[in-house]
Amino acid sequence: NAGVTQTPKFQVLKTGQSMTLQCAQDMNHEYMSWYRQDPGMGLRLIHYSVGAGITDQGEVPNGYNVSRSTTEDFPLRLLSAAPSQTSVYFCASSYSGLPGGQGSTDTQYFGPGTRLTVL
Amino acid sequence: DAKTTQPNSMESNEEEPVHLPCNHSTISGTDYIHWYRQLPSQGPEYVIHGLTSNVNNRMASLAIAEDRKSSTLILHRATLRDAAVYYCILRDVFDDKIIFGKGTRLHILP
Repeated sequence: NAGVTQTPKFQVLKTGQSMTLQCAQDMNHEYMSWYRQDPGMGLRLIHYSVGAGITDQGEVPNGYNVSRSTTEDFPLRLLSAAPSQTSVYFCASSYSGLPGGQGSTDTQYFGPGTRLTVL
Repeated sequence: DAKTTQPNSMESNEEEPVHLPCNHSTISGTDYIHWYRQLPSQGPEYVIHGLTSNVNNRMASLAIAEDRKSSTLILHRATLRDAAVYYCILRDVFDDKIIFGKGTRLHILP
């Protein structure tokens, strides 16, 4: 298994440009999520998904869109990049995200991260 | 979401045990306690989790207070490779969101 993969590893954008950060997992995990990490800070949850066709907002969703058309992929879209979105972005997945207790013990697996700079 | 409080940083000598504390005074009965760590320039990785009883695995031990309002991650014999940021997280059985705090930066002195 490749685990959780993210592309690209590095990206530089100009203010106002759009782009999509890709995330894929091959572990048949239902739960996927996106975090951002700024210098000296912990991870902040942007959006998450408990299965194909289902997404929800995390702590800092503004400026980002997501969709989940397949179990494997969970792309993160920046429609109009701003310098405040300069950060390292991590995608994560775990076996189950459905309410009711199945997900509470599941390990989250993280991708290697995408370092994004917005000028 | 129930919150956790951890020291910003800690230091330990190599080959000595390390006790990383976490306070979670508002923990609910349906919260599991998870620990992750983030090595430099990498994504976080799972360390251990528990509900009420102390837990051991090959990486660490987790000691949970009887009232569950605090827990301690124990690295039995720290190595330089254990230098990382350690995150204590509460994951609710009935909530899908997984919220990280700022964690504790652990420095290991040779």
